[in-house]
Amino acid sequence: DSGVTQTPKHLITATGQRVTLRCSPRSGDLSVYWYQQSLDQGLQFLIQYYNGEERAKGNILERFSAQQFPDLHSELNLSSLELGDSALYFCASSVDRRDSGNTIYFGEGSWLTVV
Amino acid sequence: AQKVTQAQTEISVVEKEDVTLDCVYETRDTTYYLFWYKQPPSGELVFLIRRNSFDEQNEISGRYSWNFQKSTSSFNFTITASQVVDSAVYFCALIVSGGSYIPTFGRGTSLIVHP
Repeated sequence: DSGVTQTPKHLITATGQRVTLRCSPRSGDLSVYWYQQSLDQGLQFLIQYYNGEERAKGNILERFSAQQFPDLHSELNLSSLELGDSALYFCASSVDRRDSGNTIYFGEGSWLTVV
Repeated sequence: AQKVTQAQTEISVVEKEDVTLDCVYETRDTTYYLFWYKQPPSGELVFLIRRNSFDEQNEISGRYSWNFQKSTSSFNFTITASQVVDSAVYFCALIVSGGSYIPTFGRGTSLIVHP
């Protein structure tokens, strides 16, 4: 158990809909990361938040947005869903101690199926 | 720019065989960190090990061992006496110092251990 909690674990929704994925980081971690894993794209970094502020952006679509709240939990919002958005979405967290390599710990993922 | 190559897409072995998963990285930075993660069929990504560029000592943890060689830019992972429970996708990742500290992942190697 990494200590990173993600909900829901599984989600099936229709095209055009909007969903929200939720993540609670490990106790003490200030950074939260979102990744998308699909069969053809591998592990894709979407976005990072540090203590409530966006810190780094990866290949995140404009239809997707995220935020980190004062209690450090984070939400990833996916809207106007398309079939191609079906994937495993990971949240990860770290203390973001750059002098020690910033090990990030992943949650169990949220399986999103768009039908 | 940094890059991680896991040339082996899939490896199939019979239980009790030893198996080595290759990881080759590219970076111009002298300070960097290498990681291995395991993703079993259930989907979660599990952190296995972190190595920094100044520590070329090999590491052994039970049946797992890691061989870090800067001369060949490789960080290979060996499982001794493989077991069915080792069946998973294994990812190698790289973080370079002075950058965003977002890990760059390889495409992963799927290990199938047959009974």
